[in-house]
Amino acid sequence: SQQGEEDPQALSIQEGENATMNCSYKTSINNLQWYRQNSGRGLVHLILIRSNEREKHSGRLRVTLDTSKKSSSLLITASRAADTASYFCATDRTGGKLIFGQGTELSVKP
Amino acid sequence: SAVISQKPSRDICQRGTSLTIQCQVDSQVTMMFWYRQQPGQSLTLIATANQGSEATYESGFVIDKFPISRPNLTFSTLTVSNMSPEDSSIYLCSVEAQGLGQGSTDTQYFGPGTRLTVL
Repeated sequence: SQQGEEDPQALSIQEGENATMNCSYKTSINNLQWYRQNSGRGLVHLILIRSNEREKHSGRLRVTLDTSKKSSSLLITASRAADTASYFCATDRTGGKLIFGQGTELSVKP
Repeated sequence: SAVISQKPSRDICQRGTSLTIQCQVDSQVTMMFWYRQQPGQSLTLIATANQGSEATYESGFVIDKFPISRPNLTFSTLTVSNMSPEDSSIYLCSVEAQGLGQGSTDTQYFGPGTRLTVL
């Protein structure tokens, strides 16, 4: 069964605004990863945060992890039209098996 | 990051036929993973392919329907057998960065996917 749940399912913002996506999961994890997918193509890895980390940054991306609430958030600051994509969180299981959330479809309007 | 390629990138197939999808990695890796993404859905793990052993399938997926080969440390194939329209999906392979010798990261990299349409 899918472990990750994401909200919102869809998000539409204007260029320059910030976009926040949330992910919740059910069991303990080793790490959580965020991916981007453009128009049903391959997944691009964005960032990995480990269970002992609370926050991580990469360029315009900021990821937080709250293991007590079993949740994570992805913040994209100063969004651009090129950020339009689907965003997925994925938690690891043993042996490198990932469980994906349902994804958030982000639309950034110029 | 790993360079992962898949062939074909897309295909349109007739019901009842089979399609073999290839996944090639530019480095040797122990484990490769196969995922399915049905239209408008998220990704679901089909199986884990280790070199030199039988693939391990997840609940809901069976070897007769999705036979997997792993002849060496850089290559794997997934066959979708006796296809039906319900098999129309994007199929993706992935590998762990750790398996690529890129330090201790558990980052997984994905291939570009194979978009399959079954008529």
